[in-house]
Amino acid sequence: DGGITQSPKYLFRKEGQNVTLSCEQNLNHDAMYWYRQDPGQGLRLIYYSQIVNDFQKGDIAEGYSVSREKKESFPLTVTSAQKNPTAFYLCASSIEQGIQETQYFGPGTRLLVL
Amino acid sequence: KQEVTQIPAALSVPEGENLVLNCSFTDSAIYNLQWFRQDPGKGLTSLLLIQSSQREQTSGRLNASLDKSSGRSTLYIAASQPGDSATYLCAVTRGSQGNLIFGKGTKLSVKP
Repeated sequence: DGGITQSPKYLFRKEGQNVTLSCEQNLNHDAMYWYRQDPGQGLRLIYYSQIVNDFQKGDIAEGYSVSREKKESFPLTVTSAQKNPTAFYLCASSIEQGIQETQYFGPGTRLLVL
Repeated sequence: KQEVTQIPAALSVPEGENLVLNCSFTDSAIYNLQWFRQDPGKGLTSLLLIQSSQREQTSGRLNASLDKSSGRSTLYIAASQPGDSATYLCAVTRGSQGNLIFGKGTKLSVKP
């Protein structure tokens, strides 16, 4: 049963704390992406990765970090430098990064600040 | 800078009605355009992808058209059902790397 999984479904962050959101895919896709969605807003790209051990900043990378040590995993860390982290975070993947391919999305993680 | 706009922001229709959702973009130099569906608190599901060389794509009761020169796309839903209730997002592909730029979505409610 192929797909993208994200965990946890809900995550709570305290002031000054770093938290990591998990994204795993078993679709054998090369490219992976992280988006942030705020209420009533479209998705905004945080980071993307075309291949293992390579990643690029998107439009709103400040306060976030990623790693891509394995093809199937692309974790996102929300650091204490991100002053407004409350949002819905979506991970996606595609066969390869290119203009012909659609992206497949995970179920999302909702991050809340305590 | 590419901007994607979706009108209306919300739409409520009775079951069985045919409806049209609109998407416009400011830069006609796109590679493709995609329509997605998002249920509350869930991820996105791809509905249709239209390549820049195509004029329309169809899947079941859904038909999407693309007019690059005018910077517009429409998503036509025939014989709407309550199960169609969701937010519909339009996205265009930016540059050769395939990164997407999204509109804010149209929230559709189909009343039984």
